[in-house]
Amino acid sequence: SQELEQSPQSLIVQEGKNLTINCTSSKTLYGLYWYKQKYGEGLIFLMMLQKGGEEKSHEKITAKLDEKKQQSSLHITASQPSHAGIYLCGAPSISFGNEKLTFGTGTRLTIIP
Amino acid sequence: DTEVTQTPKHLVMGMTNKKSLKCEQHMGHRAMYWYKQKAKKPPELMFVYSYEKLSINESVPSRFSPECPNSSLLNLHLHALQPEDSALYLCASSRVVGQGLYEQYFGPGTRLTVT
Repeated sequence: SQELEQSPQSLIVQEGKNLTINCTSSKTLYGLYWYKQKYGEGLIFLMMLQKGGEEKSHEKITAKLDEKKQQSSLHITASQPSHAGIYLCGAPSISFGNEKLTFGTGTRLTIIP
Repeated sequence: DTEVTQTPKHLVMGMTNKKSLKCEQHMGHRAMYWYKQKAKKPPELMFVYSYEKLSINESVPSRFSPECPNSSLLNLHLHALQPEDSALYLCASSRVVGQGLYEQYFGPGTRLTVT
C-alpha cells in the first residue's frame, strides 16, 4: 500500500515569513492533493496536481509535483494567521473505477504574530 | 458551490444505541465517501458509493452500515458501537475533472463520542 510521509510534522513560523511543507510517497505518484484542516473540522480542498513538474498557485500558496522524486512541496509566502492549521497531502489510487485517497501524516502549522 | 453538509455536528451515544449520520451534497457528484479520523491522525477511508451503489468497503465492521438512498444523500447507520469508535466522521463527494482524475470535497464532519 502507498505511504505518504510529510515533513516537518509541525512548524511554528512568525507571521510574514515563508515556509515549505514536503510530502514524499513510497510509490509513484499519479497525482497529488493538498488539503487544509482546522482542528476538529472538515478538509478544505486547496489544489490538485496531475503531472510531474506541474505547479499551481492559490492566493499565497504554491504547490509543485516532482514525479521523479515521488514528492510534492507546498510553499506559503508571507504567512498569515489564517494559514494556521493542519496541512494534509493525499495520493489517489483507482480501485473499481473509483478514487481512493491515501493521506499523509499531516503537518501542523502555527503562525505566531 | 462545493458544499457538502453533515448532520449532526456532534453526537454522543451509548454502546447499545442506534443512531445515524447524514451527509448531503447538491453538486451532482456521482461518488460519495465516508472517512473516519482519529485524533492527530489522517482520515481513513471506510466506504465509497458510486452511482448509489456500494463499490468499496474497506473491511469496516458490520456495526457501521452505510446507505445511499439517492444520488445526493449518504447515511451511516451506527449500532452497538465501541468506545474506540469515537472519532470525527467525514463525508466527501467527488467530481470527475479528467480521465481517472477526481476532486474530492469534504463536509465539516460529525464528532462522535461513544460512552
